[in-house]
Amino acid sequence: GIQVEQSPPDLILQEGANSTLRCNFSDSVNNLQWFHQNPWGQLINLFYIPSGTKQNGRLSATTVATERYSLLYISSSQTTDSGVYFCAAAYRGQNFVFGPGTRLSVLP
Amino acid sequence: DGGITQSPKYLFRKEGQNVTLSCEQNLNHDAMYWYRQDPGQGLRLIYYSQIVNDFQKGDIAEGYSVSREKKESFPLTVTSAQKNPTAFYLCASSLSAQETQYFGPGTRLLVL
Repeated sequence: GIQVEQSPPDLILQEGANSTLRCNFSDSVNNLQWFHQNPWGQLINLFYIPSGTKQNGRLSATTVATERYSLLYISSSQTTDSGVYFCAAAYRGQNFVFGPGTRLSVLP
Repeated sequence: DGGITQSPKYLFRKEGQNVTLSCEQNLNHDAMYWYRQDPGQGLRLIYYSQIVNDFQKGDIAEGYSVSREKKESFPLTVTSAQKNPTAFYLCASSLSAQETQYFGPGTRLLVL
């Protein structure tokens, strides 16, 4: 099955800084999602992005399926951005496989 | 409000006991999922259902059982055969398979 890796595993930022989170997958996929898990455990869907680029406020994501990676950009980070960011990838007709996550801490 | 609810928020299980976690959605989604998350880890798929009265095993189904008698409900039973059940359990739903998934708030299961 698909293997999903994320980097870096941990990231500490000062409030206002920008960051890039990376998701690599082992084979071509046709579906990819990014999630944010807050400190209370709730997962929020950020992007459904099988290919191309999407933006939502301070967040944007780019997936290049042919090169087997996706990037999540966070600009002007805020303390509320803290938590764990997961990507999940899937082949057509198969279930999503989640990566191990990137733990982000934004300091005031 | 539309969404996914899970109950209870915390659940304690005694040795040899079966416990059932509730998951309800009013989003009119066909597909529902159960995931397990261990501390510091990602999510692993336990069971999924793409339509009422049908469900499939995920990657770690041993020691768990589910039912899907109604579109809006997908309860998970953790049986006594699951030897290490302490974890955070998350339920999700999507309009159909491989669409955007929406998650409930989760249930934390602890073994006494």
